[in-house]
Amino acid sequence: GAVVSQHPSRVICKSGTSVKIECRSLDFQATTMFWYRQFPKQSLMLMATSNEGSKATYEQGVEKDKFLINHASLTLSTLTVTSAHPEDSSFYICSARDFKRGTNTGELFFGEGSRLTVL
Amino acid sequence: AQSVTQLGSHVSVSEGALVLLRCNYSSSVPPYLFWYVQYPNQGLQLLLKYTSAATLVKGINGFEAEFKKSETSFHLTKPSAHMSDAAEYFCAVSQAGTALIFGKGTTLSVSS
Repeated sequence: GAVVSQHPSRVICKSGTSVKIECRSLDFQATTMFWYRQFPKQSLMLMATSNEGSKATYEQGVEKDKFLINHASLTLSTLTVTSAHPEDSSFYICSARDFKRGTNTGELFFGEGSRLTVL
Repeated sequence: AQSVTQLGSHVSVSEGALVLLRCNYSSSVPPYLFWYVQYPNQGLQLLLKYTSAATLVKGINGFEAEFKKSETSFHLTKPSAHMSDAAEYFCAVSQAGTALIFGKGTTLSVSS
């Protein structure tokens, strides 16, 4: 099956620093990747849609200058949390669609998630 | 706009009992529907998906769901609960090419 890998799985940083999370599709090409955020005991909220070679599309209420998304290749998207603060502590999950087989099913393949803790 | 509503944020069953997790969807076009399971501090695992083929969908670990257009429902069932089924379950909806929109989740507890 299609595999999506996220790195790092856990990261702790100091307030004011920036953190980069990588999302890779290992065995397929993903023209579109999606970034979600999950607070404890809550559901997954879509943050942004990342399109290879173009600017990301952010959901309402998500600060694009704080959550920088880059999708430079068909297998890699990155999320950078800039000037992180404790309220940014959360579980971040990326997902990708295999454009060769996922378009007709709507299915997304999810990474393992990255838990960010900002001290 | 699409949305899903999961009825019941917490469901408790005894081991061996029927599991029923409810999901209703709203979509202006025929939807794709999914059930995912999440264990603590882990990512999502796909249980099953409806993509306009058979209305009764069988998934992994003995779970199945039935798409009922007239009721706009996609409830998840399992005939006999196991302790290992205790987890968080999410229903999700999408259309071709769009992101998945998730429900708020249902926590399933299984007691011995």
